[in-house]
Amino acid sequence: EPEVTQTPSHQVTQMGQEVILRCVPISNHLYFYWYRQILGQKVEFLVSFYNNEISEKSEIFDDQFSVERPDGSNFTLKIRSTKLEDSAMYFCASSDTDQPQHFGDGTRLSIL
Amino acid sequence: AQSVAQPEDQVNVAEGNPLTVKCTYSVSGNPYLFWYVQYPNRGLQFLLKYITGDNLVKGSYGFEAEFNKSQTSFHLKKPSALVSDSALYFCAVNRWGGDDKIIFGKGTRLHILP
Repeated sequence: EPEVTQTPSHQVTQMGQEVILRCVPISNHLYFYWYRQILGQKVEFLVSFYNNEISEKSEIFDDQFSVERPDGSNFTLKIRSTKLEDSAMYFCASSDTDQPQHFGDGTRLSIL
Repeated sequence: AQSVAQPEDQVNVAEGNPLTVKCTYSVSGNPYLFWYVQYPNRGLQFLLKYITGDNLVKGSYGFEAEFNKSQTSFHLKKPSALVSDSALYFCAVNRWGGDDKIIFGKGTRLHILP
C-alpha cells in the first residue's frame, strides 16, 4: 500500500536556525497537510495545501512557518528561526478528494 | 466549533475480552467522525469513519464504532481484543469529511493484557 514518507526521522537544531522538514505524499493525492504533536499533548493542525496554495492555516502557523511543493512530489515545511517551543513531532498527511488522510511516521524536531 | 473529548487517558482490557474506547463530540452541523490509531514511533493510521448512513461503522483490524446522535458519542469497539491492539487511539472530527483539517482528541492509551 502506498505510504507518506517523511525525512529525516529526527532533526536536532540550534535555536534560531532554519529547519526544513520534508515529506513525499502519496503520488495521486491532491491535498496535503502538516500537523504537530508536542510531547504529551494533542495532535494539532498547522496548515493545509491544495492546488499550490495554502487552503487553511492555524494560529500556530505564523510568519516563521512556510510550506512549499517545489517539484510536484515533495511537500516541505520550513521554520525560519526555530524556538524552543517548536520542539515537537511533525506529521505530514495527504488525501484524495473526500478520502481519509494518510499520515507519515513523523519527524521528531528537537530544538536546543 | 468542532471538538471531541476522550474521557479516559488509559483503558486496560484482558486479551479476548471486548473493548470500548469512548469518545464524545461537539459539532455545529453534521458530524464527520474518525478513529485513528498510533503505534509506537509511527504515524497515525486511519481505522474508520462516519459520514452518514448506518450508525454502526466497520473498520480495519476488526474494529467498529457506534454513532449515537442523542448521546453525541462515537465509541470505538472490538468484540475480542488482541495484545497487538495495544496502542494510542485518537477520536477525531472535521467539517466535511476527507479534505478538511482534522481536530483530534487527546488520545486514549489502550493496554491489552495477555
